[in-house]
Amino acid sequence: DAGVIQSPRHEVTEMGQEVTLRCKPISGHNSLFWYRQTMMRGLELLIYFNNNVPIDDSGMPEDRFSAKMPNASFSTLKIQPSEPRDSAVYFCASRWTGAYEQYFGPGTRLTVT
Amino acid sequence: DAKTTQPPSMDCAEGRAANLPCNHSTISGNEYVYWYRQIHSQGPQYIIHGLKNNETNEMASLIITEDRKSSTLILPHATLRDTAVYYCIAYGQAGTALIFGKGTTLSVSS
Repeated sequence: DAGVIQSPRHEVTEMGQEVTLRCKPISGHNSLFWYRQTMMRGLELLIYFNNNVPIDDSGMPEDRFSAKMPNASFSTLKIQPSEPRDSAVYFCASRWTGAYEQYFGPGTRLTVT
Repeated sequence: DAKTTQPPSMDCAEGRAANLPCNHSTISGNEYVYWYRQIHSQGPQYIIHGLKNNETNEMASLIITEDRKSSTLILPHATLRDTAVYYCIAYGQAGTALIFGKGTTLSVSS
C-alpha cells in the first residue's frame, strides 16, 4: 500500500485566498484524522471521521475551517479565507477502527502570506 | 485519556541504549501506553504499544511498571537516524483520536 497520501505537499497562498488540502487514507481504513502542527502549539487534532461521518470537530479553530469526507477514500480540509496564522503543517492520518495504530501522511506545509 | 509527562529533551551517544521515560500516574485499567516518534518534517510514526506486559518489536522495547504508572521506551542501539521527538500517549477509547503532548526530543550524536 502507498500509505496515506496528501496533496499538495507545499502550498503558498496569500491572505484571503481559499485553500484546499486533500487526503487519501489507506485502503480499508475507516477512521480519518486531520491534525495541525506549529512550533507554538505542537500537534493538534482538528477533526476526525469514522465511516465518513464527522465525530469530533471540537479542534477546528473557527468557521473558516471545514472538512469533508465524501467517500471512504477521500477527504478535504478547506480554509476560507486563509490568514497568516493558519501557516502550519497539516497532517492527515488513518486507522482501521479495530486497531489502535494511526498511520500518518507526509503532511502539507501551508504558508499564508 | 490519561495525561502523560515526559522530559523535554534527552541526549544519547550513538550505539548506546536510549531509555525514554514517561509518567502516566492517572492511567486507567483499559488504557494502553503508545509510543510514536516524529523525525523532522515527517508525519509521526508508530513505534510500539502495551497494556501491562513488557513488549518488544524490531524497533524498540517497552517496559511498563507493575503499577502501570510509568513506562520506559528503550532503543537498544541508538543511531543518528533515531534523532526525533518521541511521544508517549495513554489511550484507551477505540474509535477516538490520539492526542499528542509535547514529547521528548532525543538527540543522538556520534
